[in-house]
Amino acid sequence: QVQLQQWGAGLVKPSETLSLTCGVFGDSFSDYYWSWIRQSPGKGLEWIGEINHSGKTNYNPSLMSRVTLSVGPSRNHISLMLKSVTAADTAMYYCARTKYYNAAGIFDSWGQGTLVTVS
Amino acid sequence: EIVLTQSPGTLSLSPGERATLSCRASESVYSSYLAWYQQKPGQAPRLIIYGASTRATGIADRFSGSGSGTDFTLTISRLEPEDVAVYYCQQYGNSPLFTFGPGTKVDIK
Repeated sequence: QVQLQQWGAGLVKPSETLSLTCGVFGDSFSDYYWSWIRQSPGKGLEWIGEINHSGKTNYNPSLMSRVTLSVGPSRNHISLMLKSVTAADTAMYYCARTKYYNAAGIFDSWGQGTLVTVS
Repeated sequence: EIVLTQSPGTLSLSPGERATLSCRASESVYSSYLAWYQQKPGQAPRLIIYGASTRATGIADRFSGSGSGTDFTLTISRLEPEDVAVYYCQQYGNSPLFTFGPGTKVDIK
């Protein structure tokens, strides 16, 4: 049973960089992609991007210029950095396991969420 | 970008009633690429249906999914109090890779 545990700063100043980490426990980190998804009242659920164990990434084009996903700080962790934040980036941020089957992707396990406020 | 529209916005029903939730895509979506999630207050979303009609592990059989092309449906055959939640549809496959609908809120009368 996989567990995803998230942590990071809950308050970020405008124009600074949001930084979150997600630890993956109890599962094979290398068998899946790992995504970041955010949820705000104004925009609903929004997929940010995904990364696999070797660092291969796919990003949402709407955020690509400001987002960096990486593996680390240790092998079963993934990190999200979103630069030049504004109030519009205020949201609950989730990490999630991305499972691919029949060439389709679904999110079958989620972290607990981290509320990030830009102010 | 494929846009998903969900209706109704809110559904208020009595326990035991049938709930029918709609998800409409702006372009045709492969059935394999359509999923449904349940989000209860204060919790992360939970996968309930994938491939348009396959229940995820541990999901009660009162939940069922159907549809193809641009029109998909989530049905809760007999509403239980614990089904109070917001339900989202999600598609995979176009840029961006993943998009979600705006959600349908299900309430108990």
